[in-house]
Amino acid sequence: DVKVTQSSRYLVKRTGEKVFLECVQDMDHENMFWYRQDPGLGLRLIYFSYDVKMKEKGDIPEGYSVSREKKERFSLILESASTNQTSMYLCASTEPPPSGTGGSSGNTIYFGEGSWLTVV
Amino acid sequence: AQSVTQLDSQVPVFEEAPVELRCNYSSSVSVYLFWYVQYPNQGLQLLLKYLSGSTLVKGINGFEAEFNKSQTSFHLRKPSVHISDTAEYFCAVSVRGSTLGRLYFGRGTQLTVWP
Repeated sequence: DVKVTQSSRYLVKRTGEKVFLECVQDMDHENMFWYRQDPGLGLRLIYFSYDVKMKEKGDIPEGYSVSREKKERFSLILESASTNQTSMYLCASTEPPPSGTGGSSGNTIYFGEGSWLTVV
Repeated sequence: AQSVTQLDSQVPVFEEAPVELRCNYSSSVSVYLFWYVQYPNQGLQLLLKYLSGSTLVKGINGFEAEFNKSQTSFHLRKPSVHISDTAEYFCAVSVRGSTLGRLYFGRGTQLTVWP
């Protein structure tokens, strides 16, 4: 089974602190994602990465950065945490589509169990 | 960007009753469609997905969904729910032709099953 592991399930941080959320997947997936989940808003994409050292902004990248130094690990960084970043953060990974398929992807995306971050 | 609308934010039902969770999407391109479930304090788990072929898709735990292209809908159904089905359900789409496979999510529907 695919396993996406978020090492910190529950964190409490102070305003202004630098926060690292770590995510590791064990299936050699190339594509990895960080989503933020808030009640009534669903999941919103923060950043994604399709290869080591490659990253792209999602829909709500402000206040966040990411790091992908190794294929299996994708880290989300809050440079200076603020109270409006209190949320549930979900990491996910998937395989890219097979070559020659025209680039379309119906591959299943696998999620970690989430990291609950409270900023006080 | 794609838009996914889940028409009901909360759906309460009694045990053994049928349920339908509604999902509509807006897209000028072809999409793949997914339903994910999230149990309390857990991540998301795939229930089912539509890629092509038969418009009726069967998933885990007795759920099924029907793709209706003309109405751009992908409603989720179960003929008889259990208390253990209490969870939040998310409809999502990905764009055909996308190498990345990112998902666009609806805002979720909280299904609560009462005894």
